[in-house]
Amino acid sequence: TQLLEQSPQFLSIQEGENLTVYCNSSSVFSSLQWYRQEPGEGPVLLVTVVTGGEVKKLKRLTFQFGDARKDSSLHITAAQPGDTGLYLCAIRNGGFKTIFGAGTRLFVKA
Amino acid sequence: DTGVSQDPRHKITKRGQNVTFRCDPISEHNRLYWYRQTLGQGPEFLTYFQNEAQLEKSRLLSDRFSAERPKGSFSTLEIQRTEQGDSAMYLCASSLALDRGDETQYFGPGTRLLVL
Repeated sequence: TQLLEQSPQFLSIQEGENLTVYCNSSSVFSSLQWYRQEPGEGPVLLVTVVTGGEVKKLKRLTFQFGDARKDSSLHITAAQPGDTGLYLCAIRNGGFKTIFGAGTRLFVKA
Repeated sequence: DTGVSQDPRHKITKRGQNVTFRCDPISEHNRLYWYRQTLGQGPEFLTYFQNEAQLEKSRLLSDRFSAERPKGSFSTLEIQRTEQGDSAMYLCASSLALDRGDETQYFGPGTRLLVL
């Protein structure tokens, strides 16, 4: 059983559509991170959310941390082909080890 | 570009051979991490170094795996007697640890290993 469950596993949409991906757990976390990984590259940190209920925006990306700090969502508005990639949520364990979910693979068609 | 670099980017080997990967972290980053990522999964933690000291090893790191960071700068990950199950992307990351608070890990592009 994964500590972090991400859904959906795969998403294929048309350019211009909106989408939301989810990261869920039964555990409470002090913070949660979202990464994007493009094919053939390592993950790149997008955001860290810390406070329950917190909402952070990064251009067309909106990240929300659940009130109970057990779950998070990533919403993309007007998706573009450049958004294509693997979106990973992650938590820090013990201050140094990062534990990742399995990711949502997004494909945005032009 | 002063990001994390890894070498080689790709490696194909036959089962039973030894392989060694190199990671050059961002200059002055004191922490270095190794992760393994298989198809359809997120990266899994293998081990980490604070300067030259290896402070944690995952149970995923069997006796066939060894990692070093001899001078607290670059690191190597060696896999002895490779098995087909070792086929994966091996990712390195580095960070500058501060006294408190989360530090950002910067990942390299990875080394993709295929064991035939």
